[in-house]
Amino acid sequence: DADVTQTPRNRITKTGKRIMLECSQTKGHDRMYWYRQDPGLGLRLIYYSFDVKDINKGEISDGYSVSRQAQAKFSLSLESAIPNQTALYFCATSEQGSNEQYFGPGTRLTVT
Amino acid sequence: AQSVAQPEDQVNVAEGNPLTVKCTYSVSGNPYLFWYVQYPNRGLQFLLKYITGDNLVKGSYGFEAEFNKSQTSFHLKKPSALVSDSALYFCAVRDDTGGFKTIFGAGTRLFVKA
Repeated sequence: DADVTQTPRNRITKTGKRIMLECSQTKGHDRMYWYRQDPGLGLRLIYYSFDVKDINKGEISDGYSVSRQAQAKFSLSLESAIPNQTALYFCATSEQGSNEQYFGPGTRLTVT
Repeated sequence: AQSVAQPEDQVNVAEGNPLTVKCTYSVSGNPYLFWYVQYPNRGLQFLLKYITGDNLVKGSYGFEAEFNKSQTSFHLKKPSALVSDSALYFCAVRDDTGGFKTIFGAGTRLFVKA
């Protein structure tokens, strides 16, 4: 979905490195989310934000941090990457009160 | 606690035949139910949702889903499958008790053979 963009689309990094994944949206939505997708596990929520000053942990936040710099931007950081963080990462947005989410194209991260 | 199950890892169907992708759920309150589709190298796309009202919900690309409260199910259906429907399908649920968190199923891969 072109309204939600993610950079980079693919990244290979080494254990111990710090890495940042960026998400931008032009939908004007207040709510933004970071998920990771692993085969056979569906999507699991890492962090979410309902406003620029609002940051909340999801079900698997350990090893990750986020920053909501503006309504349109929500970045995810891995402070010290480890191999089991190898996954497909998705950013998503939704309107306040709305129920469906709109997803970016994903970032495939490989930690060696 | 909320949960959602998609009992089939893969569904195979011939083009032109009807298809069903199964989903069952568990929530504390009343459910909000969703189906999303993921094509290769793409993010998830919203297909349809059930919030309240008619148990049969129609969505994008000719898909529909039937909410069955007694069986706690929300199966995705299409009367006539297309090869282009081949993709990964996710069922998702949240409840109406004030929480926002959406739980996604593990996904079902649909393969439509020409």
